Amino acid sequence: GQQLNQSPQSMFIQEGEDVSMNCTSSSIFNTWLWYKQEPGEGPVLLIALYKAGELTSNGRLTAQFGITRKDSFLNISASIPSDVGIYFCAGTTSGTYKYIFGTGTRLKVLA
Amino acid sequence: KAGVTQTPRYLIKTRGQQVTLSCSPISGHRSVSWYQQTPGQGLQFLFEYFSETQRNKGNFPGRFSGRQFSNSRSEMNVSTLELGDSALYLCATKRTGGTDTQYFGPGTRLTVL
Repeated sequence: GQQLNQSPQSMFIQEGEDVSMNCTSSSIFNTWLWYKQEPGEGPVLLIALYKAGELTSNGRLTAQFGITRKDSFLNISASIPSDVGIYFCAGTTSGTYKYIFGTGTRLKVLA
Repeated sequence: KAGVTQTPRYLIKTRGQQVTLSCSPISGHRSVSWYQQTPGQGLQFLFEYFSETQRNKGNFPGRFSGRQFSNSRSEMNVSTLELGDSALYLCATKRTGGTDTQYFGPGTRLTVL
């Protein structure tokens, strides 16, 4: 099925470091969502973005809706061990009603 | 308010059997989408229901089917199970159909032996 390009695929970082990941699409999107998934559980919504250029924070997480509407970025500041998991981006455009998902970024935090 | 609920959480079946999974959306959510998640293929879209009608469909064989009831609850059925159907099945719901925010349930882990 169709997927977004999400990078990096995996990251190993030290506790306290900042993390950046991004998603790019060949299509223009109207909504971008960022999720975190832990083993055996469903993805949990972190941040939702609805407008090009929008910058939204949720605690130590900050996400941006790219100005071209074809990309989005997620930053995690001062990472902690519980940030471990897989982070997914998802985008959709009006009229399709269907979300397209990135391939995921697997984050591991070393204490 | 209560989140998306899925039942059962775990299932073990044998090849050739059929299975039905259930998803209850967040109150007020009328759109329910189903996804299959495997380590090798990631999140794959199965189908989406809105107001009891299938509105979108992914590239899965006809053994995978679904339906939605008038209270927006949805079921997914897989007939003639194959080993490759072992996966985490997730449902996600949203209020209407457009670009609304989508929330996932905890998933049903299906193992086919």
